[in-house]
Amino acid sequence: GESVGLHLPTLSVQEGDNSIINCAYSNSASDYFIWYKQESGKGPQFIIDIRSNMDKRQGQRVTVLLNKTVKHLSLQIAATQPGDSAVYFCAETRGNAGGTSYGKLTFGQGTILTVHP
Amino acid sequence: EAGVAQSPRYKIIEKRQSVAFWCNPISGHATLYWYQQILGQGPKLLIQFQNNGVVDDSQLPKDRFSAERLKGVDSTLKIQPAKLEDSAVYLCASSLVAGGLTFFGQGTRLTVV
Repeated sequence: GESVGLHLPTLSVQEGDNSIINCAYSNSASDYFIWYKQESGKGPQFIIDIRSNMDKRQGQRVTVLLNKTVKHLSLQIAATQPGDSAVYFCAETRGNAGGTSYGKLTFGQGTILTVHP
Repeated sequence: EAGVAQSPRYKIIEKRQSVAFWCNPISGHATLYWYQQILGQGPKLLIQFQNNGVVDDSQLPKDRFSAERLKGVDSTLKIQPAKLEDSAVYLCASSLVAGGLTFFGQGTRLTVV
């Protein structure tokens, strides 16, 4: 079946370093890829998304890269801070016919990011 | 604005008992979701409501799980009878429209012993 998974389950970095979290997906028909951050005891929080017709999108301190050739996406966090410590999930979804909204989200396993002061 | 509210935060029950979770979505959000998140895994969609109608319940174990959203606002998710493998965090989420930006609640952590 289709799935979304992560290469590395844990990542430890020093404060100020850049972090890269990777994700592999198998459904080539996905229209959107989304990164969520989940802090301990909280629900997932949207970080950034990217449409399948793009290969890069930047937000505040975050960049998502999409490589459709190898079905891989990554989340880059610049100048990582202790507050970035959390579990990061990638999710994939088919959009609607007009490409204006998400369909059902399929989440990957998650990567634990730990930032050391 | 207030976020998605869920209660209780924690629940411990014995197997074969029943349990119910409550969710109050963000005001005005027509779409409500229930997800199950097993420890170490990403959330899995159980059911999606659009107002008070079910849009997708394909992954809901209907022999033991039920959910309702009678007035198109609050929702309850029930498990009867519970099994050990139901131990998980149950997340409620809502979005203004179907497929829109989804906001999650803090979840209810269920432990079945």
